[in-house]
Amino acid sequence: EVRLVESGGGLIQPGGSLRLSCAASGFTVSSNYVSWVRQAPGKGLESVSIIYSGGTTYYADSVKGRFTISRDISKSTVYLQMNSLRAEDTAVYYCARVGIAVANGVDVWGQGTTVTVSS
Amino acid sequence: DIQMTQSPSSVSASVGDRVTITCRASQGITTWLAWYQQKPGKAPKLLIYAASSLQSGVPSRFGGSGSGTDFTLTISTLQPEDFATYFCQQTNSFPYTFGQGTRLEIK
Repeated sequence: EVRLVESGGGLIQPGGSLRLSCAASGFTVSSNYVSWVRQAPGKGLESVSIIYSGGTTYYADSVKGRFTISRDISKSTVYLQMNSLRAEDTAVYYCARVGIAVANGVDVWGQGTTVTVSS
Repeated sequence: DIQMTQSPSSVSASVGDRVTITCRASQGITTWLAWYQQKPGKAPKLLIYAASSLQSGVPSRFGGSGSGTDFTLTISTLQPEDFATYFCQQTNSFPYTFGQGTRLEIK
């Protein structure tokens, strides 16, 4: 079964750091695109970052310079290191497989992990 | 970044109705467009990719069309389980931006 499981969310003070993990099973992260998508409470969806199969990474302007996406192929895990967190980063963070076979649509989603930035 | 504008933001309909949701991109994206359904507390679910291709397992009452900048999602005969929020997403260039969503409510 193809699956993504996120962990690492929680309550953090403004300016703090958090690392999210996304454990993949049923497919290889080195051959796929994996992205982080977030959803603020009661709001829409925002693509935050992506790591392509070749290792190239991209970020939304809202997180550039503060967030870093990486992967450990041996652990089949993708990470999102989040630094200098702000209140507006509060959201459910979804790990998502961007499917090459479905024209870059997200065909596998994790269950989401909640990040709350508040003092 | 490419901006995606969805309309309407909400719509009320009855079981059996036909519903159409539109999405406009701020620049041409050929057919690099996906549609998702999201229910409260759940992750989105891919319905349509490449503007008009039905994702495996999705009922055929869902259909997508369009190219360039204008796209539509049509639900031909609404079923009770279709009441949810729908999002479009351009998959042409990162960030793969989403529309603001359309909430489909029971009339």
